[in-house]
Amino acid sequence: DVKVTQSSRYLVKRTGEKVFLECVQDMDHENMFWYRQDPGLGLRLIYFSYDVKMKEKGDIPEGYSVSREKKERFSLILESASTNQTSMYLCASSSRARLNTEAFFGQGTRLTVV
Amino acid sequence: GEDVEQSLFLSVREGDSSVINCTYTDSSSTYLYWYKQEPGAGLQLLTYIFSNMDMKQDQRLTVLLNKKDKHLSLRIADTQTGDSAIYFCAPRGGGGNKLTFGTGTQLKVEL
Repeated sequence: DVKVTQSSRYLVKRTGEKVFLECVQDMDHENMFWYRQDPGLGLRLIYFSYDVKMKEKGDIPEGYSVSREKKERFSLILESASTNQTSMYLCASSSRARLNTEAFFGQGTRLTVV
Repeated sequence: GEDVEQSLFLSVREGDSSVINCTYTDSSSTYLYWYKQEPGAGLQLLTYIFSNMDMKQDQRLTVLLNKKDKHLSLRIADTQTGDSAIYFCAPRGGGGNKLTFGTGTQLKVEL
C-alpha cells in the first residue's frame, strides 16, 4: 500500500516561531510537492522538488523554504510563522518515470499560528 | 501559469446525477485528473482522462473532455451520501510534472 506520511495532523505554533513540516514517501518517487489548502482557494502550490537537493518555487513561495536531502523526505520550513500561514498543508509525491503521473497525497497537517 | 476554475458548491438529492464542471487555460494539458477529498482526509485520485479522449466511463463516473473549449466535467450517476466530498479538477501541464488544482467543488448529497 503506497504511503505519503506527514509528521503531524495538527500543530499550534506562536507567531515568529520557526516551523518544520515533514513529509516522507515510501514509493521511491522523484517528485514531491507542498501545497496549502484554504477554503474557496483550493490547493495552491508552495514548492516542489523533482530530485534530491533540487527545488522549484510554486505559485506562493513567499515566507516558506524547503529541504530535500534524501529522496524520500521533503520538508517545508516556515522561517518565521505568521498568522496568515494558518492553513491546511498537504504533501504529495509522484513518479517522473511514468507518463501518467498520478500524485499521492498525505493526510495533511492543520497548522494554526497564534 | 495555468488557471483552473470550478464552482464552489453543488447540492443534489440522493439517487440523482451530479455534474461537476471545470474550465482550464493550458491547452497543452496532457492528463486531466479528478481527485476526491473526504472530510479530514488528504486527496485521493478518483479518475483521469488523457487529452486525446473525449469521454471516459468508469462504473458510476463519466468524464467528458471538450478540448476546444478547455472544459472538463465529472458526472456521478446515482449519487449516494458517501459521495459527499470536495472534488478537485487537476490538469497536468504539458511542461512536465506539475499538477494545478482548481478551487474544488463541495458536493452535498441530501436525502
